Amino acid sequence: GEDVEQSLFLSVREGDSSVINCTYTDSSSTYLYWYKQEPGAGLQLLTYIFSNMDMKQDQRLTVLLNKKDKHLSLRIADTQTGDSAIYFCAERGSGGYQKVTFGIGTKLQVIP
Amino acid sequence: EAGVTQFPSHSVIEKGQTVTLRCDPISGHDNLYWYRRVMGKEIKFLLHFVKESKQDESGMPNNRFLAERTGGTYSTLKVQPAELEDSGVYFCASSRTSGDFLYEQYFGPGTRLTVT
Repeated sequence: GEDVEQSLFLSVREGDSSVINCTYTDSSSTYLYWYKQEPGAGLQLLTYIFSNMDMKQDQRLTVLLNKKDKHLSLRIADTQTGDSAIYFCAERGSGGYQKVTFGIGTKLQVIP
Repeated sequence: EAGVTQFPSHSVIEKGQTVTLRCDPISGHDNLYWYRRVMGKEIKFLLHFVKESKQDESGMPNNRFLAERTGGTYSTLKVQPAELEDSGVYFCASSRTSGDFLYEQYFGPGTRLTVT
């Protein structure tokens, strides 16, 4: 079945870049997502990338996809204390009825 | 536009009791999903409604879990009788179908269930 793996914890200093990595096993994954969960809040879709793309940049966020290695990363430039949250890597196949498969979540701690 | 809402935000029950969780999707979203995150583990898919019909319930753990979506609007997830391993955060999500190439699922804040 599908599997998404990511590290549990990342600590960075404010102003540095954060890189959160994720690997997945389903070669038919079409959409790859990064969700953010702040304390006490629901999951917020942060960014996404289609499987036919290598990179996507959105302000401070850069998503890199290596489809051959099934590796996805999220880079946050100039990390701020407000970026402290749990970041979930997720994937789904094509079509409207595909469930989303999530990783365990990486807790990002930003040290002032 | 109001987001996905869930009630209650937190529930503490004893083993053997019954609990019902409620989810109100975004108005007009035909798709409604339930997910669960057990402490320290991944967020796992439970089931998917399209309107009032169950499209995929492959993630439901066992027959102690019953999900309904009356009239294709809000949904309830009942756990009866609750066991210790049912503790976790239950997320609900909704999405549109047609005209939305991303099929983005909008998540609620979750219900934290604690079974003692």
